[in-house]
Amino acid sequence: EDQVTQSPEALRLQEGESSSLNCSYTVSGLRGLFWYRQDPGKGPEFLFTLYSAGEEKEKERLKATLTKKESFLHITAPKPEDSATYLCAVQAPRGGSQGNLIFGKGTKLSVKP
Amino acid sequence: EPEVTQTPSHQVTQMGQEVILRCVPISNHLYFYWYRQILGQKVEFLVSFYNNEISEKSEIFDDQFSVERPDGSNFTLKIRSTKLEDSAMYFCASHRDPNQPQHFGDGTRLSIL
Repeated sequence: EDQVTQSPEALRLQEGESSSLNCSYTVSGLRGLFWYRQDPGKGPEFLFTLYSAGEEKEKERLKATLTKKESFLHITAPKPEDSATYLCAVQAPRGGSQGNLIFGKGTKLSVKP
Repeated sequence: EPEVTQTPSHQVTQMGQEVILRCVPISNHLYFYWYRQILGQKVEFLVSFYNNEISEKSEIFDDQFSVERPDGSNFTLKIRSTKLEDSAMYFCASHRDPNQPQHFGDGTRLSIL
């Protein structure tokens, strides 16, 4: 069964304290791994797509990396505005050409000033 | 920047009543999805829609659920006879092609009394 597991469930950081969020996945034939940010009461906001092991993407203080079994979202010198829930999702290989997303439970990040 | 819009933001309905959730996907997108998120749980795939027909549906999407694209802009999710366990956030998502990330609306919070 295709699965996505994120850890930790919650992470509290001081402003400027760098850290990493983990996303482990089990899927037969990865088509894409996605990172989204979700603020309270809002929908997931797209951050990155990764397709193959070794790939890296960066955006401001965020950097996403991918191996054959997991992905990391590295946050460098976070600011309070980075506080949000970060969701990892994989694109299912079955179901035709579209591919619905399978989500993890997310990591709730709190950054204190 | 174009957005996926969903209405209403909050819907309160008596158990057994029909409810229709509405979405306006991004205008040049061709693939449409509904997901739901029960409080404290993962975002779960419900159904995908392309070329005016359902492409894939999950086990959650039983005979009580239906989707429709009644015109060139709207995409609706109907629940025929709501149950208490249908209470959740419902997200609409779309993308132009399966190799692009899905973009989400801010959801409709459905509360069944």
